[in-house]
Amino acid sequence: GNSVTQMEGPVTLSEEAFLTINCTYTATGYPSLFWYVQYPGEGLQLLLKATKADDKGSNKGFEATYRKETTSFHLEKGSVQVSDSAVYFCALSDVLNAGNMLTFGGGTRLMVKP
Amino acid sequence: DTGVSQDPRHKITKRGQNVTFRCDPISEHNRLYWYRQTLGQGPEFLTYFQNEAQLEKSRLLSDRFSAERPKGSFSTLEIQRTEQGDSAMYLCASTPPGGGYGYTFGSGTRLTVV
Repeated sequence: GNSVTQMEGPVTLSEEAFLTINCTYTATGYPSLFWYVQYPGEGLQLLLKATKADDKGSNKGFEATYRKETTSFHLEKGSVQVSDSAVYFCALSDVLNAGNMLTFGGGTRLMVKP
Repeated sequence: DTGVSQDPRHKITKRGQNVTFRCDPISEHNRLYWYRQTLGQGPEFLTYFQNEAQLEKSRLLSDRFSAERPKGSFSTLEIQRTEQGDSAMYLCASTPPGGGYGYTFGSGTRLTVV
């Protein structure tokens, strides 16, 4: 079956530090990969996505590259801000699945200190 | 665009009681999904509807759980004879016609079974 593994948190960084959150996946088909962000008290929001190998998704200074050879989709940001403090979820959707259901990792809490 | 609305935001119930949650998707979205998120974990797929038809159910959805989407509009998720293990955040999401990955999540209903 499909699964997503991401690094456990919390990750605590100072403002302007470099961020990496690791994500690896197992999929039986041809997955599309996503990063979602959940701010306190809010629903999950799509941060970025990549639909095929070597694609790079980017948004709001965050980037992630779909690496099929290492089955990874690590999230990076060059300079984090306090407002980036949230829980980040890596997820996949198998294009062979007509329902487009998402399989999520366990989430990584990011805390950015001023 | 009012987003995906879920009601109530919080529900505390005694073990053995029945509870019902409601989700109002974005009006032009024909697919509606339910996910469950336990503390410190990522969301897990429960079931989804395309219009009024329930097309897939996870093995997580025991016989005590039932979901409906009458007339393809709002959806309800009912849990009968609640157990402490049912305590979780129940998330609803919707996507537009054609599926794709344009998920919009609601803020969730947090259920606590005491």
